[in-house]
Amino acid sequence: KAGVTQTPRYLIKTRGQQVTLSCSPISGHRSVSWYQQTPGQGLQFLFEYFSETQRNKGNFPGRFSGRQFSNSRSEMNVSTLELGDSALYLCASSRGQPSTDTQYFGPGTRLTVL
Amino acid sequence: AQTVTQSQPEMSVQEAETVTLSCTYDTSENNYYLFWYKQPPSRQMILVIRQEAYKQQNATENRFSVNFQKAAKSFSLKISDSQLGDTAMYFCALEDQNFVFGPGTRLSVLP
Repeated sequence: KAGVTQTPRYLIKTRGQQVTLSCSPISGHRSVSWYQQTPGQGLQFLFEYFSETQRNKGNFPGRFSGRQFSNSRSEMNVSTLELGDSALYLCASSRGQPSTDTQYFGPGTRLTVL
Repeated sequence: AQTVTQSQPEMSVQEAETVTLSCTYDTSENNYYLFWYKQPPSRQMILVIRQEAYKQQNATENRFSVNFQKAAKSFSLKISDSQLGDTAMYFCALEDQNFVFGPGTRLSVLP
């Protein structure tokens, strides 16, 4: 069974631009969560989508948004990029609730903002 | 607010030995979940073990076991018979409404 895939794997943008990251969950998984990982702040929860609805949201500014499609694929968008947005963005999928069903993580998208 | 603390930034252990990673947390919820995740170098994060707060019995998964002390809000991970493949960053995480991760412990298993 294919794992969680994220595209692109690496991305370089400049301040002020916007970026869209994509995540394809494991087949049959309906929950997709996004996380930001930085050396300074560690791993931080961004949001979780289930059946096209945002179920939970972390403490990030409105520049960070996401959506989920009917096939459970998810996209994350960051507008007006700042230097501090440079990070590894991880996506994870689970069949149902991430608390009770195992989350499977993708390899991440490494975003560099110059 | 939820917090997760891992007081050991780095640890090392000899192959075949036992090591314990510490984690403390804070939450105002009575029902929550605790996790240990492993992130090997340049590889994907994987779930090691999960504990439901309402379950008294400590979770075990093969060589991995936890010591869950609910009153003390402590959730340590014991790795028995350490193997070279256990070398990784280990993150403790709490989920009550959202996921909160600790800063991680870098574990090196030495041959």
